[in-house]
Amino acid sequence: DVKVTQSSRYLVKRTGEKVFLECVQDMDHENMFWYRQDPGLGLRLIYFSYDVKMKEKGDIPEGYSVSREKKERFSLILESASTNQTSMYLCASSSLAEGGYNEQFFGPGTRLTVL
Amino acid sequence: KQEVTQIPAALSVPEGENLVLNCSFTDSAIYNLQWFRQDPGKGLTSLLLIQSSQREQTSGRLNASLDKSSGRSTLYIAASQPGDSATYLCAVSSGANSKLTFGKGITLSVRP
Repeated sequence: DVKVTQSSRYLVKRTGEKVFLECVQDMDHENMFWYRQDPGLGLRLIYFSYDVKMKEKGDIPEGYSVSREKKERFSLILESASTNQTSMYLCASSSLAEGGYNEQFFGPGTRLTVL
Repeated sequence: KQEVTQIPAALSVPEGENLVLNCSFTDSAIYNLQWFRQDPGKGLTSLLLIQSSQREQTSGRLNASLDKSSGRSTLYIAASQPGDSATYLCAVSSGANSKLTFGKGITLSVRP
């Protein structure tokens, strides 16, 4: 089974802190994604990566950056955390399979609270 | 820009009922459509993936159909159980990089 793990289930940080959220997948997937999920707004794509050291902005990249130094690991960085970044953060991965076979698999999520 | 709509936002049914969850999307040029389940406070679990060339997929008591031309998908749940209570999300992929556009989900409650 595909496994996507996230470094923390719950995280509490202070305004202005630098925050790292880590995601690891074990299926050699090319694509990795970071979403945030908020009540009433649904899931929104922050950044995604289709290869090592490659990244593309999603719908809401402001205030975030990412790092992908190894294929299996995709990190989300909040350079200076703010209260409006309190949210559930979800990581996902998928293969580059053609023909629409690229099913996306999700991690358990990290509930981040910024005080 | 692709938009995905799921209506209603919430649904409550008695145990044993067969039910249909609806999903609509605005751009029919899709690669695939996925249905997910999300339990409170948890991540998403993939239920079914339908490629654009397919009409339906089945897994156990679940059956998902796709009508690309009308921009619609349905998730059919047979003989619903209290354990089916969760939020069900529909998402479409419009490109080879598999970026997904999500609906806001339908929160299902199955009453014993």
